[in-house]
Amino acid sequence: KQEVTQIPAALSVPEGENLVLNCSFTDSAIYNLQWFRQDPGKGLTSLLLIQSSQREQTSGRLNASLDKSSGRSTLYIAASQPGDSATYLCAVSNSGGGADGLTFGKGTHLIIQP
Amino acid sequence: NAGVTQTPKFRILKIGQSMTLQCTQDMNHNYMYWYRQDPGMGLKLIYYSVGAGITDKGEVPNGYNVSRSTTEDFPLRLELAAPSQTSVYFCASSQTVENQPQHFGDGTRLSIL
Repeated sequence: KQEVTQIPAALSVPEGENLVLNCSFTDSAIYNLQWFRQDPGKGLTSLLLIQSSQREQTSGRLNASLDKSSGRSTLYIAASQPGDSATYLCAVSNSGGGADGLTFGKGTHLIIQP
Repeated sequence: NAGVTQTPKFRILKIGQSMTLQCTQDMNHNYMYWYRQDPGMGLKLIYYSVGAGITDKGEVPNGYNVSRSTTEDFPLRLELAAPSQTSVYFCASSQTVENQPQHFGDGTRLSIL
């Protein structure tokens, strides 16, 4: 059974710092890995999707990497801003049979201090 | 650009009551999903559908039912509400499993008292 772990569970940093969020997964049979942002009381917003054959994806100040063989992904946020404060969720789409939905980690709650 | 729309946004039920959570998407996506999110936890898959007329169980299907009569709609039914079903429910859709992201609704907050 796929398991997804996110470290740290919470992070608080001053504005302007660069930061890294970590995600690990136990089964490398995946189609892709997705990073989402969730604001309080809201749904999930897709940030980046990395296909299993890719190593990284970039969108603005966000860069996500994928090492499928070791079961790890990182989300790098450059020059953090207070508006980046949210919970960040990592999820994998499994290709090894079973249900076609995503398996999620518990998230990293990020606070950017002004 | 509505995307994925869920109704209602909030609901309180008594134990044993039934209700249907509605989900509609206007992106002509084949795949639709229902997840639940408990406090401090990631989302868990309840049911999913790969197209109209086809549904399948996810990780936590007990106590729920779904149907997919059209591409747009994927309602989730709770037949006999239990306190353990208190949660936030999210509906999502995607065009493919392999290389397209899932799009999420804003969720339905459900309390069973």
